[in-house]
Amino acid sequence: IAGITQAPTSQILAAGRRMTLRCTQDMRHNAMYWYRQDLGLGLRLIHYSNTAGTTGKGEVPDGYSVSRANTDDFPLTLASAVPSQTSVYFCASSALAGSSYEQYFGPGTRLTVT
Amino acid sequence: GQNIDQPTEMTATEGAIVQINCTYQTSGFNGLFWYQQHAGEAPTFLSYNVLDGLEEKGRFSSFLSRSKGYSYLLLKELQMKDSASYLCAVSLDDYKLSFGAGTTVTVRA
Repeated sequence: IAGITQAPTSQILAAGRRMTLRCTQDMRHNAMYWYRQDLGLGLRLIHYSNTAGTTGKGEVPDGYSVSRANTDDFPLTLASAVPSQTSVYFCASSALAGSSYEQYFGPGTRLTVT
Repeated sequence: GQNIDQPTEMTATEGAIVQINCTYQTSGFNGLFWYQQHAGEAPTFLSYNVLDGLEEKGRFSSFLSRSKGYSYLLLKELQMKDSASYLCAVSLDDYKLSFGAGTTVTVRA
């Protein structure tokens, strides 16, 4: 059982380039999330989706877009990368069922924008 | 915005007890989570409190007071492997999580 996978593991990207971070879960969870984690700031929510076909903005959505075409996949796109988007990106999912609202996190993608 | 505060760093000795406090002022509340994150790894779930009181799970316990906007995570019988960051997170409306900046715990021999 893989849980949540993210790709790539790490990437160095030139400013102005377009980049899509991939996230796939095999737990059939309804909800999926994208966070960025920066030193001293903790995890900040970028975008989320509570069910396939719907998305919502988190705390820091500017410069990022997402789509949720099916239950398993939740890609995050940087249309034109800037150095301030250098961060570690975590994808997470949650069942949002019964009393289980915990989020399960993927291994992360370390992105450097130069 | 949401305001979730926890200490930046704590140091304790192997075998001791450490209490990590978290205070919050948020626009909504559907429960409070604690996560553990080792350096270079993903956060992993430790506990979830939605009602006031103490939840015990082995060496780890978590307490919540909704009226005071306060929680703590208690780590007992500290082991070297407990050296990690501990993240306090509030579940908001729509079940989004808002995280504190995290507390780095260092366990010394």
